[in-house]
Amino acid sequence: LAKTTQPISMDSYEGQEVNITCSHNNIATNDYITWYQQFPSQGPRFIIQGYKTKVTNEVASLFIPADRKSSTLSLPRVSLSDTAVYYCLVGDGFGTGRRALTFGSGTRLQVQP
Amino acid sequence: KAGVTQTPRYLIKTRGQQVTLSCSPISGHRSVSWYQQTPGQGLQFLFEYFSETQRNKGNFPGRFSGRQFSNSRSEMNVSTLELGDSALYLCASRGDWKGTSTDTQYFGPGTRLTVL
Repeated sequence: LAKTTQPISMDSYEGQEVNITCSHNNIATNDYITWYQQFPSQGPRFIIQGYKTKVTNEVASLFIPADRKSSTLSLPRVSLSDTAVYYCLVGDGFGTGRRALTFGSGTRLQVQP
Repeated sequence: KAGVTQTPRYLIKTRGQQVTLSCSPISGHRSVSWYQQTPGQGLQFLFEYFSETQRNKGNFPGRFSGRQFSNSRSEMNVSTLELGDSALYLCASRGDWKGTSTDTQYFGPGTRLTVL
């Protein structure tokens, strides 16, 4: 299973851009990279997913270099409500023999006013 | 579309007892996964069911078991509860791969289990 490594915590201020990088050296050819956000006592919420290059949605952007051994979640202009734990995970998006998805330890983002 | 629902939301049990948790996936989703979340171990995968069959299994003892019904609803059972089983148990559903779908999972709010 592809293991992911993220910073344990990050601090930011409202209005700033936050970039959280995840390392996944053993990513497999078929693996997608997915990011989730989790608030206390709630289930994780899907943020964004990508396979290569750059993906953008209304919430965030995801940058994936050509070797795919890392990825960076970019949150533009964070607000206090973005304070949460962010998980990066890799998983098998193809075939019927899906492997279990592995969540890393997550990055605790604290946004200050 | 209604999201993933889990019942009960909170549960208190004593050591040695058993517990059954329930999960109703998003309508049309046939895959249901279960996770255990604790402060010390983070989010750990328990098992995944698809069309009433266990498709994947994490590294948990046999006290943890599950099943899925024909309507895709799933139950998870933990027997002979231990103090260390106190955790937030999360259920997630997703549509299956059809060549274009990906691994987006939709999580429920979880069941907070406390073992005394």
